Amino acid sequence: AQKITQTQPGMFVQEKEAVTLDCTYDTSDPSYGLFWYKQPSSGEMIFLIYQGSYDQQNATEGRYSLNFQKARKSANLVISASQLGDSAMYFCAMTKGRRALTFGSGTRLQVQP
Amino acid sequence: DGGITQSPKYLFRKEGQNVTLSCEQNLNHDAMYWYRQDPGQGLRLIYYSQIVNDFQKGDIAEGYSVSREKKESFPLTVTSAQKNPTAFYLCASSVNDRPDGYTFGSGTRLTVV
Repeated sequence: AQKITQTQPGMFVQEKEAVTLDCTYDTSDPSYGLFWYKQPSSGEMIFLIYQGSYDQQNATEGRYSLNFQKARKSANLVISASQLGDSAMYFCAMTKGRRALTFGSGTRLQVQP
Repeated sequence: DGGITQSPKYLFRKEGQNVTLSCEQNLNHDAMYWYRQDPGQGLRLIYYSQIVNDFQKGDIAEGYSVSREKKESFPLTVTSAQKNPTAFYLCASSVNDRPDGYTFGSGTRLTVV
């Protein structure tokens, strides 16, 4: 069975600084995909970034980058130059096979001015 | 514009009553999913459907039922057998050949009194 672990229930970061949100996963399958989503207080799920298990390079999307360390089974999200609008819940998720996403418990990020 | 419509946004029901949550998509996606989210927690998979007239149980299917009579629609019924139905329910859909092609609805917040 797949499992996603996010060990940081809450994080604080100063505006304009970078922050890393941790995610580890457990799977025995060589083929899988890793996702990060942002969930503001409105409840919508906003897709941020995707990393395939066979991708050679770490994924980047604007201010978001994914630090993918396959041997350690970690897929940490790095947000550069934090903005007040980045305050939200962040979820790491994984998919393989049936393509339904398995989610971690989330990290609440608060950006302070 | 294409997307997923979940209705209603807020739903109140008396204990012991069945209630059906609507999920409609106009993205021509083959797969659809229902997730449940409890406060401060991640999303857990209730049911999913890869094609019309076929669906599978997720991790927490007890007390729920679904149907997939049309590609566009995947309604979820919360039955009286569900012990703690109060939660935020999210519907999602995905494209077969795009691993990052998930789309989420805006959710239904169900409160049972």
